[in-house]
Amino acid sequence: EVQLVQSGAEVKKPGESLKISCKGSGYSFTNYWIGWVRQMPGKGLEWMGIIYPGDSDTRYNPSFQGQVTISVDKSISTAYLQWSGLKASDTAMYYCVKCGWLLEWLSPYDYWGQGTLVTVSS
Amino acid sequence: EIVLTQSPGTLSLSPGERATLSCRASQNVSSSYLAWYQQKPGQAPRLLIYGASSRATGIPDRFSGSGSGTDFTLTISRLEPEDFAVYYCQQYGRSPGTFGQGTKVEIK
Repeated sequence: EVQLVQSGAEVKKPGESLKISCKGSGYSFTNYWIGWVRQMPGKGLEWMGIIYPGDSDTRYNPSFQGQVTISVDKSISTAYLQWSGLKASDTAMYYCVKCGWLLEWLSPYDYWGQGTLVTVSS
Repeated sequence: EIVLTQSPGTLSLSPGERATLSCRASQNVSSSYLAWYQQKPGQAPRLLIYGASSRATGIPDRFSGSGSGTDFTLTISRLEPEDFAVYYCQQYGRSPGTFGQGTKVEIK
């Protein structure tokens, strides 16, 4: 069974750093791109970026480039999303997603993690 | 980037009725790389349709997708109680992948 299991909810202060995780199982982790999607409170979905675990090739949405870093540790089948200086506007639910097509990043997302709620407040 | 506009914003229908959701793109969506997702409160989205018209694994056949170019439609032939949710379209043919703002299907 394919699963994406994300790390738990976080409460942080503005300016703090944070790294959340997404562990994949039940499929060949290194052969499918894995991405991150943001959902701000009461709002829609925004694609942030995506990484290929096989060689760490990474693509970012220009709207998020420089604001977050996406990384992966293929030895433990885990992808990461990190911030070096959080803002209140980063408060959102963050989902990791698995691309449905082998080796392809322009692909629908066939599996989603359960989401990690990040709250940034002073 | 390609902007997707969904309509209507909210659809109020009764169980058993037919739902028709629209997604219009600001530019041609290449190779019909258009997907639909369903999101229920407190849950992650779930893939329903990809390639504009192909149902994802395990999706009931009351869900169907159609369209090409810039105009796409999701149809739910007979609404079941579990179908009341928010639906998003997404284009994944050109980076950045973009989502529509969502259509909420609510019980009338």
